[in-house]
Amino acid sequence: KAGVTQTPRYLIKTRGQQVTLSCSPISGHRSVSWYQQTPGQGLQFLFEYFSETQRNKGNFPGRFSGRQFSNSRSEMNVSTLELGDSALYLCASSTGTVNNEKLFFGSGTQLSVL
Amino acid sequence: AQKVTQAQTEISVVEKEDVTLDCVYETRDTTYYLFWYKQPPSGELVFLIRRNSFDEQNEISGRYSWNFQKSTSSFNFTITASQVVDSAVYFCALSETQNSGYSTLTFGKGTMLLVSP
Repeated sequence: KAGVTQTPRYLIKTRGQQVTLSCSPISGHRSVSWYQQTPGQGLQFLFEYFSETQRNKGNFPGRFSGRQFSNSRSEMNVSTLELGDSALYLCASSTGTVNNEKLFFGSGTQLSVL
Repeated sequence: AQKVTQAQTEISVVEKEDVTLDCVYETRDTTYYLFWYKQPPSGELVFLIRRNSFDEQNEISGRYSWNFQKSTSSFNFTITASQVVDSAVYFCALSETQNSGYSTLTFGKGTMLLVSP
């Protein structure tokens, strides 16, 4: 089984631009969660999608949004980029059918905002 | 509010030494789950263990062992006879059910383990 795939691996953007990151979960997994990892704040939960619906949302501004498609692939979008948005964005998948199950993570997208 | 504290930012050991990574958590819930994940340089987090709040039995898996103590709200991780391949960042995480009825993970800041030959 293929693992969680995130594209692109690296992105460089400038302030004010917007960016879209993509995540393909493990086949059969219907839940996709997104995390932001920075040296200062560590790993922070952004949101979780299950069957195209957002189930949970972290404490991030509205510039951060996401969606999930019928094939469970997910995208997250960040609009009006700020320098502080530079981070590793990690996506994780799970079956989503039981609570507290383990997550399978992708290798992340490293976003640099200049 | 929930919180996970990993007080050790970085630990350096020499191969074959034993090393313990500390994790202290805070939660008001009586039912919760604790996790450990490993993040190698490639970036993806790899699941190591999950423990629920009702199971305080210690667990051993090869060179890895975990000590869960509810009385001190700690869930420590020990690597016995460390190897260079154990070098990574290790995260402790707490899972709690949200108002949505579904759970989310809160991670500690991580402990970077460097094992030198």
